[in-house]
Amino acid sequence: RKEVEQDPGPFNVPEGATVAFNCTYSNSASQSFFWYRQDCRKEPKLLMSVYSSGNEDGRFTAQLNRASQYISLLIRDSKLSDSATYLCVVKGNNFNKFYFGSGTKLNVKP
Amino acid sequence: EPEVTQTPSHQVTQMGQEVILRCVPISNHLYFYWYRQILGQKVEFLVSFYNNEISEKSEIFDDQFSVERPDGSNFTLKIRSTKLEDSAMYFCATRTGLGEKLFFGSGTQLSVL
Repeated sequence: RKEVEQDPGPFNVPEGATVAFNCTYSNSASQSFFWYRQDCRKEPKLLMSVYSSGNEDGRFTAQLNRASQYISLLIRDSKLSDSATYLCVVKGNNFNKFYFGSGTKLNVKP
Repeated sequence: EPEVTQTPSHQVTQMGQEVILRCVPISNHLYFYWYRQILGQKVEFLVSFYNNEISEKSEIFDDQFSVERPDGSNFTLKIRSTKLEDSAMYFCATRTGLGEKLFFGSGTQLSVL
């Protein structure tokens, strides 16, 4: 079983739409959770960390469900500039290793 | 924001040749990583490095690969005898001792012919 699994998409949505991505992880001892954004042929960049209580940053909301080993990212009022691949990243119980999902591709259309 | 610097941005090499990819971490960062991403595929962990030694490595990181930090600044990935399947984007990432945010360099695109 993969450490981190994501729906690859693509998700094709119109501007202004709300879109949600999900991610599951296999190791119940995982400590920390993140969403990264990757533009085509560029490096991943941290979008936001994911906390047990859920957290919001502008149009972006992240949720963690430890019982189901499930992370989500909600994007409200999608912009053209949100088009990218969104990577779910999990830090394992080994303090030094980060596991990447295969990414979910988002295309926001005018 | 501070940056991780990688050189070269592109490297073309013949199969069987050695390549060295270079990374300059952010100055106060203590943990260093190499990841690779084959075109259209996921970001794959290769190796992590802390306190001048490898702390973990993946199955991909076989005897053909090595890492070092020879001068206390550059962090290098060496591939001794490149194969066609080594063609990928190689990313260096670093983080502080306490922080969990990974700072990525802009990558080296390696093409093995």
